[in-house]
Amino acid sequence: QVQLLQSGAEVKKPGASVKVSCKASGYTFSGYYIHWVRQAPGQGLEWMGWMNTNSGGTYYAQKFQGRVTMTRDTSINTAYMELSSLRSDDTAVFYCAALSPAVALDYWGQGTLVTVSS
Amino acid sequence: EIVMTQSPATLSVSPGERATLSCRASQSLGTNLAWYQQKPGQAPRLLIYGASTRATGIPARFSGSGSGTEFTLSINSLQSEDFAVYYCLQHNNWPPWTFGQGTKVEIK
Repeated sequence: QVQLLQSGAEVKKPGASVKVSCKASGYTFSGYYIHWVRQAPGQGLEWMGWMNTNSGGTYYAQKFQGRVTMTRDTSINTAYMELSSLRSDDTAVFYCAALSPAVALDYWGQGTLVTVSS
Repeated sequence: EIVMTQSPATLSVSPGERATLSCRASQSLGTNLAWYQQKPGQAPRLLIYGASTRATGIPARFSGSGSGTEFTLSINSLQSEDFAVYYCLQHNNWPPWTFGQGTKVEIK
């Protein structure tokens, strides 16, 4: 079955960077785009961007441009999301997801809590 | 960027009653609109895609309607497991995608 397994919780200081991994299994990794979604505590879902796992192409939401980098390693079926210049309001759960609502594709990782605190 | 506005923010409903949630887009989406359910501590789950098609395994009490800029999610005869937060997501032809801010359906 399709599974997206994310890396564990992180605690970072303001100004640092965090890199979250998302290991895919149960399907052809290059077949689905991987999206990243952020959810601050008690808040809603925020779409951050996507990665074309076949070509490596990316699209980032304007809010995150300049701070986010999405990459992948096809040899180990893993996608990565790195967020730099962390602030306290970046404290959130970050989800990776293989999404294509147009065809009812909907697979999510378990989420990774990133806490930014001095 | 397309802005998605959901209303109301919170909906208080008694079990067995009907809930009607609204989602409005700042530009026409056609039917490129999905609805998600999220329960505490869980990842979101796809309920409706193409504005009106239920995803696999979603009970028939969930229904979606609308096109263009106005969309509705209806939940008939609310069950205890339906109390959750619901989000609309627009995935129009060109990114970025955007979520609505969510509607919390709570027990009245």
